[in-house]
Amino acid sequence: SQKIEQNSEALNIQEGKTATLTCNYTNYSPAYLQWYRQDPGRGPVFLLLIRENEKEKRKERLKVTFDTTLKQSLFHITASQPADSATYLCALDPNQGGKLIFGQGTELSVKP
Amino acid sequence: NAGVTQTPKFQVLKTGQSMTLQCAQDMNHEYMSWYRQDPGMGLRLIHYSVGAGITDQGEVPNGYNVSRSTTEDFPLRLLSAAPSQTSVYFCASSPGRGENQPQHFGDGTRLSIL
Repeated sequence: SQKIEQNSEALNIQEGKTATLTCNYTNYSPAYLQWYRQDPGRGPVFLLLIRENEKEKRKERLKVTFDTTLKQSLFHITASQPADSATYLCALDPNQGGKLIFGQGTELSVKP
Repeated sequence: NAGVTQTPKFQVLKTGQSMTLQCAQDMNHEYMSWYRQDPGMGLRLIHYSVGAGITDQGEVPNGYNVSRSTTEDFPLRLLSAAPSQTSVYFCASSPGRGENQPQHFGDGTRLSIL
């Protein structure tokens, strides 16, 4: 069956460290993958998109990698801050028709 | 710009009641969609629309109806509410489909069915 999975357990890290979140998928061959941030009581907010022919994408302290052989994307936040605490969602569009499939999200908590 | 606006923010219904969740966007986006978010399940697509007058089903459409009479509005109707429809509902929009179209989400409607 087709599925997309993220770390189910919350990730707790110390301020200043690098947070690494994982998104694994099976039985898809997506042309691109998106990452979103969701704060409690709010809707998801788009962060980054990475295409299948891109190994890595960066935006300020954020870095995303995409390994189509492993069927995995990693999301890194360097020099993490308490303000980075949120739930992070990955999403892919199997048929490039805009019908996104979301992972269940990973909750990140950055302690001062 | 307000972005994507959802109303109401909270609603409690009794089983069997009907209601409409409102969604409006002021970005002139062609593509709009409705998701529900349940604990441990992630966001699941209910219905979507690629433009005024055009709608289609997503992953979990049963029990819900939609229509798209204007570019701006995309209401979601619950015909006969059931406890299984207790969830947080998100509306999203994007300029179109495809890889360069990240979705813009509203802040959700929290719906409880008793």
